[in-house]
Amino acid sequence: GDSVTQMEGPVTLSEEAFLTINCTYTATGYPSLFWYVQYPGEGLQLLLKATKADDKGSNKGFEATYRKETTSFHLEKGSVQVSDSAVYFCALSDLGANSKLTFGKGITLSVRP
Amino acid sequence: NAGVTQTPKFRILKIGQSMTLQCAQDMNHNYMYWYRQDPGMGLKLIYYSVGAGITDKGEVPNGYNVSRSTTEDFPLRLELAAPSQTSVYFCASSFGQGGEETQYFGPGTRLLVL
Repeated sequence: GDSVTQMEGPVTLSEEAFLTINCTYTATGYPSLFWYVQYPGEGLQLLLKATKADDKGSNKGFEATYRKETTSFHLEKGSVQVSDSAVYFCALSDLGANSKLTFGKGITLSVRP
Repeated sequence: NAGVTQTPKFRILKIGQSMTLQCAQDMNHNYMYWYRQDPGMGLKLIYYSVGAGITDKGEVPNGYNVSRSTTEDFPLRLELAAPSQTSVYFCASSFGQGGEETQYFGPGTRLLVL
């Protein structure tokens, strides 16, 4: 079945540091890939997505590239801010699976001033 | 647009009690989902619906029931609450199928079963 593996957390960074959060996936089909973010006390919201190989999703300074050859979708940001402190979930949705999302475990990012 | 709304925000149940978690969306989305989120884990799909009158099981449906009588509402029913159902529950909706559709999430209901 489909699965998503995220790097272990939590991650603590200083403001303006570079961020990479690793995500790899296993899917039987040709999935779309997503990063969702959950700010404290809130529901999840879409951060970015990519629907085919070599697509780059981007939003709020975050980027992730769909790498089919390495089955990866790593999230990066060049300079994190305190307001980026949240839980980040990598997810996939397989075509034909009724848009059901398969989530990774999530990783908590804390950014220090 | 209110988006996806959930009530209540927080509830404590005793073992064996029942309750209904409410979910509503005002985006005219066909697809709706219920997830549970346990500490340190990703979200697990409980049930989903592809339209009014149509529901199907997800990954962890045991102990839950759903109904979808209207496009807007998708309540989740716990019949006999157990401590294992202590979790945060999220409702979500999306416009359609296709694998690339964005899901929109509600703020969650925190449930504690004692």
